Amino acid sequence: GAGVSQTPSNKVTEKGKYVELRCDPISGHTALYWYRQSLGQGPEFLIYFQGTGAADDSGLPNDRFFAVRPEGSVSTLKIQRTERGDSAVYLCASSFGSDADEQYFGPGTRLTVT
Amino acid sequence: LAKTTQPISMDSYEGQEVNITCSHNNIATNDYITWYQQFPSQGPRFIIQGYKTKVTNEVASLFIPADRKSSTLSLPRVSLSDTAVYYCLVGGAMNYGGSQGNLIFGKGTKLSVKP
Repeated sequence: GAGVSQTPSNKVTEKGKYVELRCDPISGHTALYWYRQSLGQGPEFLIYFQGTGAADDSGLPNDRFFAVRPEGSVSTLKIQRTERGDSAVYLCASSFGSDADEQYFGPGTRLTVT
Repeated sequence: LAKTTQPISMDSYEGQEVNITCSHNNIATNDYITWYQQFPSQGPRFIIQGYKTKVTNEVASLFIPADRKSSTLSLPRVSLSDTAVYYCLVGGAMNYGGSQGNLIFGKGTKLSVKP
């Protein structure tokens, strides 16, 4: 079946602009996660949804970052007033449950802020 | 959440068995041990998960000693396509008062398999 998909695959934007990154999880998966990965580092947790609600947003670096999942399926990560330090690969993952269940990752969106 | 320590890199040759050890001295009672694999330009992929003793699947084995303060991922007869970064993670079991569902990745172990 279809895996986790993310769009766009690449996004180049200018400093100060607003961007939206989309994640389509595996159908039926109730849990959805956003991670950010910088070059040479492991993925860093940003936010976790259980259904439509954000169960844990402790990883969001500041209030410029926001994510929604209005219908409990597709999620959008929104970044306002982008900074060059936001450049990274943004990964989305989904899982059937929320505890130790296997997480399925998408290919990521590479964001470059110039 | 328990912190993990693993070697930054390892080299191997095709056909050899590779063992990657991870230390997690502060593992909680309800924590699971999970290993993920990541190829360049791809998201991480689940390899194996265990709680104690030994777990084996079609791609790897996971050895966990009784004190659970470390674990060893064993890849039998590696091939060039096993060249990747391998992450050891500890957590899970939120429903039982353990760590949160989000995964905490370290820098991982970069495995290079040579012909």
